[in-house]
Amino acid sequence: EAGVAQSPRYKIIEKRQSVAFWCNPISGHATLYWYQQILGQGPKLLIQFQNNGVVDDSQLPKDRFSAERLKGVDSTLKIQPAKLEDSAVYLCASSKTGDGYTFGSGTRLTVV
Amino acid sequence: EDQVTQSPEALRLQEGESSSLNCSYTVSGLRGLFWYRQDPGKGPEFLFTLYSAGEEKEKERLKATLTKKESFLHITAPKPEDSATYLCAVQAESGYALNFGKGTSLLVTP
Repeated sequence: EAGVAQSPRYKIIEKRQSVAFWCNPISGHATLYWYQQILGQGPKLLIQFQNNGVVDDSQLPKDRFSAERLKGVDSTLKIQPAKLEDSAVYLCASSKTGDGYTFGSGTRLTVV
Repeated sequence: EDQVTQSPEALRLQEGESSSLNCSYTVSGLRGLFWYRQDPGKGPEFLFTLYSAGEEKEKERLKATLTKKESFLHITAPKPEDSATYLCAVQAESGYALNFGKGTSLLVTP
């Protein structure tokens, strides 16, 4: 079974620029999550999708972050404009039943 | 508000020296408690899910236990390849999101 694919692996941008991350979940997994992991911290949920629909985006900074999941498969997370404090690893995870998450390797974002 | 506190923040063990990692939690209705292992530059790797107090699960040198307020991850006779950050997370009955602790960074030296 192929894992959760994420790209790019690394991204360096200047503050106020925009950036997008892509995630392809495990085939057949209806639930997709985006987490933010700041250095030295545990991952924090940004948004949860069930198929195409958003289930929980209460911790997503909606003034600068947006996410979509078209056709209930791939997802993109966008930041516009980026701030220094957005430097983190952005993890995508998927699950079939709501538990037993599988995480991707993440995208490490550095904002300078 | 759900809270997860892990201790110690960092732990250094000699190979073969057994120890335990602690995860204290508060949650309004526990659906499950999760343990993950995270290696540098990688995403968290699933280890265990525990659902009710008294439950125990084992995998190789790792054993996870659960009470109503905390979980322990026991590491028996660790090897250098067990070096990683171990993350604990709770999942509330109200949803499927995971609320993570900050993790315990484990270093096992030969």
